[in-house]
This record gives sequence, C-alpha cells and structure tokens, in this order.
Amino acid sequence: GAVVSQHPSRVICKSGTSVKIECRSLDFQATTMFWYRQFPKKSLMLMATSNEGSKATYEQGVEKDKFLINHASLTLSTLTVTSAHPEDSSFYICSARDLINTEAFFGQGTRLTVV
Amino acid sequence: GQQVMQIPQYQHVQEGEDFTTYCNSSTTLSNIQWYKQRPGGHPVFLIQLVKSGEVKKQKRLTFQFGEAKKNSSLHITATQTTDVGTYFCAGRAGSYQLTFGKGTKLSVIP
Repeated sequence: GAVVSQHPSRVICKSGTSVKIECRSLDFQATTMFWYRQFPKKSLMLMATSNEGSKATYEQGVEKDKFLINHASLTLSTLTVTSAHPEDSSFYICSARDLINTEAFFGQGTRLTVV
Repeated sequence: GQQVMQIPQYQHVQEGEDFTTYCNSSTTLSNIQWYKQRPGGHPVFLIQLVKSGEVKKQKRLTFQFGEAKKNSSLHITATQTTDVGTYFCAGRAGSYQLTFGKGTKLSVIP
C-alpha cells in the first residue's frame, strides 16, 4: 500500500514552545491530508482536513491559531502546535489520500509530551 | 454532526473464542472502513464496505454492512494472540473525511 511518513515519532518540549510535525506521502500525491489526535482511550479525533494549496478546514472546537496546518505541496503537510501546554500532550496522527483511493493511509504517529 | 458509535469499548476473550465489534452511525454512510491498530502502532486499513448488506471475508475475519448502511460489524472466528489490538470502524457520509468510532480494544488470553 501507499506509504505515509510522519516525523518525528516522539518529541518532548517545554511549555510555551512550538513543535512542528511533518507528514509526507512517499509514493503518491496526497491531495487531501487529515490530522487526528488520539486520546488515552484510543479514540481518533479528527482535528482538520487540508487540501493541497488551500487553507485547512478545522473541526469544531479545534483552535486554528494553536494548531497551524500547512499543506503547501502534494507530498507534505505540517502541523505546528504553537505555545504548547501540558494538556496538548497526546498522540497526533496524520493520514493522506489521493484522488483515486478512498482509504486513508496513516503515518506512524507522533507522541508529543509537553513538560 | 455525524457520529459513529462503536461497542464494546473493551473485550477480553480466551484464545480460540470468537469476537465481534459493532459500529453504528447516526447518518447513512456511503462507505465504511475498518482499521486495526496494534499496541504502540498506527491504524492499518483492513477493508472497505460500500454496498447495502455487503459481507466480506478475510480468513477468520468477517465484515458486514447493514441493509440501511448505518451499521456494520467485524467478527473474528477463533481468535489468536496475533489478533490483539484496537479495531476501529470509520464511516464516510459523502465527504472526504472519515469519522472514526472510539474503537474496541481486544485482549486475547492465551
């Protein structure tokens, strides 16, 4: 299947700093990318949907100024957690799809810990 | 908005026993997908169901899509320790995004 690479896999940062997470599609053109946050009870919450070259569409309750999403190319999307706080500590997962496939291919996830 | 409810949240079975997880959507779905997430891993696509009443099998796994396209189930026959993980359903109702259920965490006791 298609490969989606997410980096970094783990990051620890201090409160108040910003963290950037990258999501790359390695062998297909990701016209649409999704960013999810996974809570301790393992549910996946969609944070935002981004289409290449367009502004991301954020789900209700997700602060767009805090979670900055950029999808500048067909192979790369980034999520920046700005002014991180301990409550932002979570597992963040990206997924991507092209125009043909309906399934979502997931990155490996990023474990963010804010101390 | 669209909601996808999945039950049970946890299931512990003895190896060899069967296991079923159920998924219900608040709206009619265009398709439903199932994913498996191993402990410490990321969700991996298992299958997609599109047609009303569709049944698909993958070895010991049987997937069903309800006639009204609002519910689905995943049944595993004779579970093995390799089946351990969290199983998610994800429904799509005409838009690009997937709405995930909360998942069912399966533990298999050897």
